[in-house]
Amino acid sequence: QSVLTQPPSVSGAPGQRVTISCTGSSSNIGAGFDVHWYQQLPGAAPKLLIYDNTNRPSGVPARFSGSKSGTSASLAITGLQAEDEADYYCQAYDSSLSGSWVFGGGTKVTVL
Amino acid sequence: QVQLVESGGGVVQPGGSLRLSCAASGFTFSRYGMNWVRQAPGKGLEWVGYIRFDGTNKYYAESVKGRFSISRDNSQNTLYLQMNSVRGEDTAVYYCAKLLDDFWSGPRPFDHWGQGTLVTVSS
Repeated sequence: QSVLTQPPSVSGAPGQRVTISCTGSSSNIGAGFDVHWYQQLPGAAPKLLIYDNTNRPSGVPARFSGSKSGTSASLAITGLQAEDEADYYCQAYDSSLSGSWVFGGGTKVTVL
Repeated sequence: QVQLVESGGGVVQPGGSLRLSCAASGFTFSRYGMNWVRQAPGKGLEWVGYIRFDGTNKYYAESVKGRFSISRDNSQNTLYLQMNSVRGEDTAVYYCAKLLDDFWSGPRPFDHWGQGTLVTVSS
């Protein structure tokens, strides 16, 4: 049971828009800590995709965007492409256990 | 470019010990906090622990506290994870990951990750 809750899977056709939710609590997202998102392609290490809720590192396509509200955050992929098929994880800091980073359980994005 | 290369993984018996290393290059290692993150086969990511850029502060996940220890050698640009009293649930790929911002000891994201090293706990 992950501290941050994500849907196990989402899917969409090429060109469509998909969103992934990340629900936390008052000790992490709701406490004001920033949410970060990672993309993990099959067989590869995770890659930072969105940081501080809405910012994209250099090289990340603009079709990836993030948002945060209250105790939740979301990752949106617009104009879905075949190469976006991957696992996506949200991350935040949690103040409840002497401080620690926590991850969501991950969401598998399938391009139909 | 930033490179993080883990090594030291392998098969270890329950109750045994193992030390993982992470060789860093392409950035000023001594200025950045570092983390270990693991991923059990077919499962999600789990943060293991963090060490401040100067080694003065360390934090651990509850699941490894008292058994694992993180250290670093800034003169050798190397991060370590000492794993003691290992259990079956410690079987995972272990990644080292760098914090985004230098000299930062707060909760920042991980902007570079190594390729990981597999640890299998089995008798």
